[in-house]
Amino acid sequence: GDSVTQMEGPVTLSEEAFLTINCTYTATGYPSLFWYVQYPGEGLQLLLKATKADDKGSNKGFEATYRKETTSFHLEKGSVQVSDSAVYFCALNSGGSNYKLTFGKGTLLTVNP
Amino acid sequence: DTAVSQTPKYLVTQMGNDKSIKCEQNLGHDTMYWYKQDSKKFLKIMFSYNNKELIINETVPNRFSPKSPDKAHLNLHINSLELGDSAVYFCASSRTRGRANYGYTFGSGTRLTVV
Repeated sequence: GDSVTQMEGPVTLSEEAFLTINCTYTATGYPSLFWYVQYPGEGLQLLLKATKADDKGSNKGFEATYRKETTSFHLEKGSVQVSDSAVYFCALNSGGSNYKLTFGKGTLLTVNP
Repeated sequence: DTAVSQTPKYLVTQMGNDKSIKCEQNLGHDTMYWYKQDSKKFLKIMFSYNNKELIINETVPNRFSPKSPDKAHLNLHINSLELGDSAVYFCASSRTRGRANYGYTFGSGTRLTVV
């Protein structure tokens, strides 16, 4: 079945540091890949997505590239801010009739001033 | 303006009670979902409806029963609440075309505490 593996958190960085959160997946066919962010006390928001190999999703300074050969979709940001502190979820949808999103376990990011 | 709205936001209740959580979306999406988030933030799908038809029913106790009166609403009723039901429940919706899912929009969650 489908699965998503994210790096274990928590991740603690200083402001303006470089961020990488690793995500690898197992899926049938050619899944669509997503990153969601959950700020404290809130629901999940779609951060970025990619629907085919070599696509790069980007939003708010975050980027992730769909790498089919390594089955990866790592999240990066060049300079994090305190306001980026949140839980980040990698997810996939492998198509099919149930439209199910399979989530990773989430990575807590804390950015200190 | 709220795209996916859930009520109530907080729910504290005693074991054995029956409660409902309501969800409405105004995005014109055709598919709605219920997810459960445990204390470790792990998200697990419970149910999904596409055009009012149940298409996902994961291994969930039959004390949980979803109801979709129309495409814009998906409610969750829980009978005989147990301590282990304490969690945050998220409603979500998505637009689909064929076999493709264009990503979810989530509600802000309902924090259920069973005492």
